[in-house]
Amino acid sequence: QKEVEQDPGPLSVPEGAIVSLNCTYSNSAFQYFMWYRQYSRKGPELLMYTYSSGNKEDGRFTAQVDKSSKYISLFIRDSQPSDSATYLCATFNTGTASKLTFGTGTRLQVTL
Amino acid sequence: EAQVTQNPRYLITVTGKKLTVTCSQNMNHEYMSWYRQDPGLGLRQIYYSMNVEVTDKGDVPEGYKVSRKEKRNFPLILESPSPNQTSLYFCASSYRVGREQYFGPGTRLTVT
Repeated sequence: QKEVEQDPGPLSVPEGAIVSLNCTYSNSAFQYFMWYRQYSRKGPELLMYTYSSGNKEDGRFTAQVDKSSKYISLFIRDSQPSDSATYLCATFNTGTASKLTFGTGTRLQVTL
Repeated sequence: EAQVTQNPRYLITVTGKKLTVTCSQNMNHEYMSWYRQDPGLGLRQIYYSMNVEVTDKGDVPEGYKVSRKEKRNFPLILESPSPNQTSLYFCASSYRVGREQYFGPGTRLTVT
């Protein structure tokens, strides 16, 4: 079993839709959670960085962490075609802080 | 502009011919890391470096070498490349271990 599981998609939504991207993880020691966005032929870029359970909002993006169920989510409001990319969740704990453990990524396509 | 650069961006080589992929960052980051990205497997860490002259193995170090003689540079060396090292490689850096990582644009390597 992978430490971080993520549905690979693809997920196709119309412009303006609310998008929900999700990951589950198995290691309860994970404390820090990130979402990266990766456009085709580019490196991942950091979108959100959160610690502990709860919500964090940044513009149209909201990251949510539920440690009790080991579930992390990224919500995108008013999705735009420019949001079409692969979204990667990542996590680590202070004991393994030398590396990030990534999900395999969910490919999102926002159509006009 | 703060960035992580990699060279070359694309490389086709033959089995056994030594090659080096360079990585450089201009953010004075202490921590640097190499990942490979493969379909269905996501991003996996190859090697990382906590600072100059300090390197350690990640999850998939076999067949790779690294060095960190200067803070800004972290080259990845394949002494005798094999076809199973065909992959997309990313270099990343962060100001210290455990913080958000910034990725380079990637190097697509094909070994025939």
